[in-house]
Amino acid sequence: ETGVTQTPRHLVMGMTNKKSLKCEQHLGHNAMYWYKQSAKKPLELMFVYNFKEQTENNSVPSRFSPECPNSSHLFLHLHTLQPEDSALYLCASSQLLGATYEQYFGPGTRLTVT
Amino acid sequence: EDKVVQSPLSLVVHEGDTVTLNCSYEVTNFRSLLWYKQEKKAPTFLFMLTSSGIEKKSGRLSSILDKKELFSILNITATQTGDSAIYLCAVHNNNDMRFGAGTRLTVKP
Repeated sequence: ETGVTQTPRHLVMGMTNKKSLKCEQHLGHNAMYWYKQSAKKPLELMFVYNFKEQTENNSVPSRFSPECPNSSHLFLHLHTLQPEDSALYLCASSQLLGATYEQYFGPGTRLTVT
Repeated sequence: EDKVVQSPLSLVVHEGDTVTLNCSYEVTNFRSLLWYKQEKKAPTFLFMLTSSGIEKKSGRLSSILDKKELFSILNITATQTGDSAIYLCAVHNNNDMRFGAGTRLTVKP
């Protein structure tokens, strides 16, 4: 158990649905991240939050909308997704934002868009 | 364009073998290189390397960074079936963290 939890662990949704992924970290960290892991691509960084403020959006389509109400919680709101958005979505956290702080990952949410 | 390339993409060995996994990178403003082990879902942290030539060790695993030639290796000695996993290399620069595609290691009994 890494101290980073994600719910749900599996999600199947239609292209017209709206759903949200939740991430919670119990490590007292201040930076949180969303990653996408597709079957045939390397792990891709989507969003970065530092002290609840979004610091990075790696050209992610607007159908993915992150929310960080506090340093312990991170959400990814999903709407009108495409089948190619099916992937494993991983949340991670680190003590601070920066290259010398290792990230701790949650177990991921396996998303299938039908 | 920044990139991180891992090789081989997959590797099958037998228990007791020693393996070397490679990670080469081209990134601007390099800050650190990290190795992760991914067994089922969540990658787990192995090493962070920031300086050239300093080997980091943890049990049977070790890693070293060469900032001149822009690569890192991850060595696993006396492999065990529990070492079977995908090993991810990631490079951190000032603004971004970029992952390689991973090396899928299978250790057979």
